Amino acid sequence: EVQLVESGGGLVQPGGSLTISCAASGFIFKNYALNWVRQTAGKGLEWVSYISDSGSSVYYMDSVKGRFTIFRDNAKNLLFLQMESLRADDTAVYYCVRDSGTSYGDGEYWGQGTLVTVSS
Amino acid sequence: VMTQSPLFLSVTLGQPASISCRSSQSLVYSDGNTYLNWFQHRPGRSPRRLIYKVSNRDSGVPDRFSGSGSDTDFTLKISAVEAEDVGLYYCMQGSFWPPKTFGQGTKVEIK
Repeated sequence: EVQLVESGGGLVQPGGSLTISCAASGFIFKNYALNWVRQTAGKGLEWVSYISDSGSSVYYMDSVKGRFTIFRDNAKNLLFLQMESLRADDTAVYYCVRDSGTSYGDGEYWGQGTLVTVSS
Repeated sequence: VMTQSPLFLSVTLGQPASISCRSSQSLVYSDGNTYLNWFQHRPGRSPRRLIYKVSNRDSGVPDRFSGSGSDTDFTLKISAVEAEDVGLYYCMQGSFWPPKTFGQGTKVEIK
């Protein structure tokens, strides 16, 4: 059974930093691309970032470029999102999401999410 | 840009429901596939994919859910709404990215 378990969320002050992680199991981690998608109260679901199976290709939504860094550890089946210069509008539940290639498309599996709150 | 309509849907139990999703550009990718997905987000749960590549139902998804459409216009249909279908529904395109883009979401409630 595919499992994605996020952790590391919490309360952080504006301008602060936080790294959230996602522990994966139930599939061959190094074979799949992954994403971070967030849910905000006002904007619904937003795709945040993508990393390829090897980690060699990464992409970000415009509003987090230069502030967020996605990376993965294929030896430990872990995905990370390092977030810096956090703003109030980064407040959201962050989900780890696995893609399934061109045959089965994007967003097949989701974790339970971790809440990041940016507030003073 | 992905535009959903309606944004709010109040449906009687057992009646059909339909959600539209329109893209500002054709979602047909160079490999011939159209990477348009539908997701359900029920209260207190993680989002769940229902449909991938326009019309393919995910494993375990009830057959009352169906997806259709092509090019720029897509539809999610629920043939007979059940109480457990209450929640938000999103379309998402993965054909031309970054960014992968979601629609605004459609809230489904029982009348």
